[in-house]
Amino acid sequence: DAKTTQPPSMDCAEGRAANLPCNHSTISGNEYVYWYRQIHSQGPQYIIHGLKNNETNEMASLIITEDRKSSTLILPHATLRDTAVYYCIVRVADGAQKLVFGQGTRLTINP
Amino acid sequence: EAGVAQSPRYKIIEKRQSVAFWCNPISGHATLYWYQQILGQGPKLLIQFQNNGVVDDSQLPKDRFSAERLKGVDSTLKIQPAKLEDSAVYLCASSLTSGDSYEQYFGPGTRLTVT
Repeated sequence: DAKTTQPPSMDCAEGRAANLPCNHSTISGNEYVYWYRQIHSQGPQYIIHGLKNNETNEMASLIITEDRKSSTLILPHATLRDTAVYYCIVRVADGAQKLVFGQGTRLTINP
Repeated sequence: EAGVAQSPRYKIIEKRQSVAFWCNPISGHATLYWYQQILGQGPKLLIQFQNNGVVDDSQLPKDRFSAERLKGVDSTLKIQPAKLEDSAVYLCASSLTSGDSYEQYFGPGTRLTVT
């Protein structure tokens, strides 16, 4: 079973920041928070991951709370192409670890 | 770099027929995964290979599903005989097994419809 809880759907206006929350209250000390997204009719795409520090890359920022029980993925300037299902996953950073997907959050960017 | 390739992209078969899907991972990726994604759900791992050995096949319905990865590169997933509930998208992914990311790269998937 997935170890994370996400809202089933969210809406955001184009050009605004999209903030996607994720609860992972049972996360272990050696587990990372990963985010993937899946655009319609495509395979999932890696976005970002982090352990306890906030992370930023060209796609998004990841804010992890100090107790690591929740996190927020931030898309700073959402575009229509960001409409997708976003999955928050916790896993050990080990190449042998599978991804356990939950239901994710369906993010709709509105013009 | 070339991504994960899968074929066919779409397949329609009748129940009790057999079907096979093919995956070519990113060059140099030792780990290969097959996921099943039923409509409205997140992907679920069916089988994971490291090189040509099976790491995890705990959720593979072994009475009808089989997979192989000969020579540790390409992989084939087979269903025989298919059931209506096998209608889903079958996703292949690959990853490195060293480094600090272990990011999985997914192919576009094969959409299977069983009638």
